[in-house]
Amino acid sequence: NAGVTQTPKFQVLKTGQSMTLQCAQDMNHNSMYWYRQDPGMGLRLIYYSASEGTTDKGEVPNGYNVSRLNKREFSLRLESAAPSQTSVYFCASSEAQGYGYTFGSGTRLTVV
Amino acid sequence: AQRVTQPEKLLSVFKGAPVELKCNYSYSGSPELFWYVQYSRQRLQLLLRHISRESIKGFTADLNKGETSFHLKKPFAQEEDSAMYYCALSGLGSARQLTFGSGTQLTVLP
Repeated sequence: NAGVTQTPKFQVLKTGQSMTLQCAQDMNHNSMYWYRQDPGMGLRLIYYSASEGTTDKGEVPNGYNVSRLNKREFSLRLESAAPSQTSVYFCASSEAQGYGYTFGSGTRLTVV
Repeated sequence: AQRVTQPEKLLSVFKGAPVELKCNYSYSGSPELFWYVQYSRQRLQLLLRHISRESIKGFTADLNKGETSFHLKKPFAQEEDSAMYYCALSGLGSARQLTFGSGTQLTVLP
């Protein structure tokens, strides 16, 4: 049981480049999320998807877009990367209220 | 708005000593609270949920609505407890979005 799988694990981008972070879960969860983790700031929600076909902005959505391709997959796209987007990105999914999240292993992104 | 505060960025204790990681929250309704742990170079893992009132790896946490706190406690710390700990709150949104605190890095010294 793979849980939540994120690709790639590491990425270096130049300012202005674009890329898509992939996330897939095999637990039949309805809700999926993208967070970024920065030192001293904890995890901040970028976008989330309550169910297949819906997406909503979180706390820090600027500079990002998302696609809920199907129930399993939720991708995060950076259209024009900036150094401020250097961070560790985590995808997560949730079964239902009160059960918490299952997290992926993260993508460490550096924008130079 | 919902908010989670972890006042200690770093906490060091000696092996065998009691440990308490503080978490305070701000939320207008009835929150669901969690503790997550992240060991070095690993993904975040769910440690505790307040609704289950369980003890995992010797850790417990009690929700105190009067003090709006959900402190994590363990009577005898072990070196393998060294990790980053995050307190998180779930509101009543349809997607149950979690709001995380800034985290406390716990180091258990030998």
